Amino acid sequence: AQSVTQLDSHVSVSEGTPVLLRCNYSSSYSPSLFWYVQHPNKGLQLLLKYTSAATLVKGINGFEAEFKKSETSFHLTKPSAHMSDAAEYFCVVNANTGNQFYFGTGTSLTVIP
Amino acid sequence: SQTIHQWPATLVQPVGSPLSLECTVEGTSNPNLYWYRQAAGRGLQLLFYSVGIGQISSEVPQNLSASRPQDRQFILSSKKLLLSDSGFYLCAWSFGGEQYFGPGTRLTVT
Repeated sequence: AQSVTQLDSHVSVSEGTPVLLRCNYSSSYSPSLFWYVQHPNKGLQLLLKYTSAATLVKGINGFEAEFKKSETSFHLTKPSAHMSDAAEYFCVVNANTGNQFYFGTGTSLTVIP
Repeated sequence: SQTIHQWPATLVQPVGSPLSLECTVEGTSNPNLYWYRQAAGRGLQLLFYSVGIGQISSEVPQNLSASRPQDRQFILSSKKLLLSDSGFYLCAWSFGGEQYFGPGTRLTVT
């Protein structure tokens, strides 16, 4: 069975400080893992993906995530938050069967000026 | 490059009225197609997915239905809307293990 747990429903950071959004996964197979960002009333945009290559994955807008199999984690980080980063973030697992994607419940990121 | 379209962008419908939301994908063939619903302040709920024309898998039994009349067209329908059908509806496609989303339709049932 596949599932994703996003450990924080809300995260608040000051502009210019680091961002950490936490995600743990459960998968019976070698998973593919993704982070998406959603701005209000918009669709989801793919930030980055892990597909069994390098464990440190770099994405768009300065975000990166590290796949840690021993901890079953895929946390999203950014060294310095920008006001435009304020949005909802979703961690997603795909069990490499190709058809179904399992979403976390989302983390709302607030950036304080 | 691939593009996914959804329309309408917003919709206000009375309870008991029918619904038809359309999603089309350009630039790819034989994609997997998905309908999700997102209630206010909530995560995504998978409603339907399709791996080919006429092939629909329903994840949540309810008064909604989906059809895939063409390879790159996915339609979400209802004969009679309920208040609980209000939400943000997202269409997505996937191929090769990555999923991409349309801009969404905001449905308000009054």
